[in-house]
Amino acid sequence: NAGVTQTPKFQVLKTGQSMTLQCAQDMNHEYMSWYRQDPGMGLRLIHYSVGAGITDQGEVPNGYNVSRSTTEDFPLRLLSAAPSQTSVYFCASSYIRGLGVPSYGYTFGSGTRLTVV
Amino acid sequence: KQEVTQIPAALSVPEGENLVLNCSFTDSAIYNLQWFRQDPGKGLTSLLLIQSSQREQTSGRLNASLDKSSGRSTLYIAASQPGDSATYLCAVLIETSGSRLTFGEGTQLTVNP
Repeated sequence: NAGVTQTPKFQVLKTGQSMTLQCAQDMNHEYMSWYRQDPGMGLRLIHYSVGAGITDQGEVPNGYNVSRSTTEDFPLRLLSAAPSQTSVYFCASSYIRGLGVPSYGYTFGSGTRLTVV
Repeated sequence: KQEVTQIPAALSVPEGENLVLNCSFTDSAIYNLQWFRQDPGKGLTSLLLIQSSQREQTSGRLNASLDKSSGRSTLYIAASQPGDSATYLCAVLIETSGSRLTFGEGTQLTVNP
């Protein structure tokens, strides 16, 4: 099925551990991004990419790394997990037009629920 | 800074009722506005996308309107069903935000049989 696939769906980490959240899309979308969703804070942008080899920071990038080696994949790396990173993480993608804006609407993955203890 | 507000935060209605969810935003320089549905423990499902040049979009029992000048959008759900129970989120893509969607906090809808 076409769409955005995130793995794993659930993960528990100990403080200080590192891990990578995977995101893959098969719609040939140029734009990919990572959001985190927290109660009372809504969804906030962590990092985004407008194409292979191009990434940029969003609203809350600290503690996270990304890379984009292919159009399809956009992994999110937690360098040293902290309890403040307990959240639900969503990957989203979109086509880009004109001035590099993903203005065709976003497709979201089903999310990764991360708990850091 | 763009702020998006959704009213009401929660809504409970009997099955069959027509209802309206509201979304307001402070910066009218938007590229588009998108309505999403989120079921408990699930991801976001796109419902309707309205480009800045459009006034409304329709899909089945859903109709979304956009008034850029007043910074408002409404999502109208006709003949509500228990299966419509979910949280509804609106998000705007504004011209000065690069690629960042700004989300509202959502309206939690419960449709009672």
